[in-house]
Amino acid sequence: GAVVSQHPSWVICKSGTSVKIECRSLDFQATTMFWYRQFPKQSLMLMATSNEGSKATYEQGVEKDKFLINHASLTLSTLTVTSAHPEDSSFYICSAQNRDRGYSPLHFGNGTRLTVT
Amino acid sequence: KNQVEQSPQSLIILEGKNCTLQCNYTVSPFSNLRWYKQDTGRGPVSLTIMTFSENTKSNGRYTATLDADTKQSSLHITASQLSDSASYICVVSGYSGGGADGLTFGKGTHLIIQP
Repeated sequence: GAVVSQHPSWVICKSGTSVKIECRSLDFQATTMFWYRQFPKQSLMLMATSNEGSKATYEQGVEKDKFLINHASLTLSTLTVTSAHPEDSSFYICSAQNRDRGYSPLHFGNGTRLTVT
Repeated sequence: KNQVEQSPQSLIILEGKNCTLQCNYTVSPFSNLRWYKQDTGRGPVSLTIMTFSENTKSNGRYTATLDADTKQSSLHITASQLSDSASYICVVSGYSGGGADGLTFGKGTHLIIQP
């Protein structure tokens, strides 16, 4: 089945630094990738939609200058949390989809646990 | 407003027993409904996808049902195993509404299987 690889699986950083999270589709071309944030015992909250070769679309309330998204190829999207603060600590999950195939199951990465100290 | 409500919020059952998780939604127009299993600290994994015309779909010991008229779905787990301990998330896809991904997520049912 389709595999989405997310790296790193966890990261601890100091307040004020930036962290980059990678999301790769390993065996299919992802025309669209999504980035989610999940707090404990809460549902996934969509942060932004990343389309290959174009600017990301951010959901209301998500700071695009803080959460930089790049989708330079059909297999890779990155999320950079800039000037991280403790309130950015969360579980970040990406998902990938090939929309050229109509509706298809979203394939999720295994998430990245970010802890900002 | 599109919503997906899941019940119960949490459930504890003994290994080997069956259980049923519920999902009610108000997403309209409806495209499909998905059940995902999310282990702690991991990303969700797809169990089933059902479109409007499908009433039931199975994946091993998991059987999902869909009643598009009442906008209800259930996920039945048969002969539970310890590895079934996870959160089960109901996700509804609509042609409009939800996020840019067209999806509305439930908060999940946290299932614990005890030996």
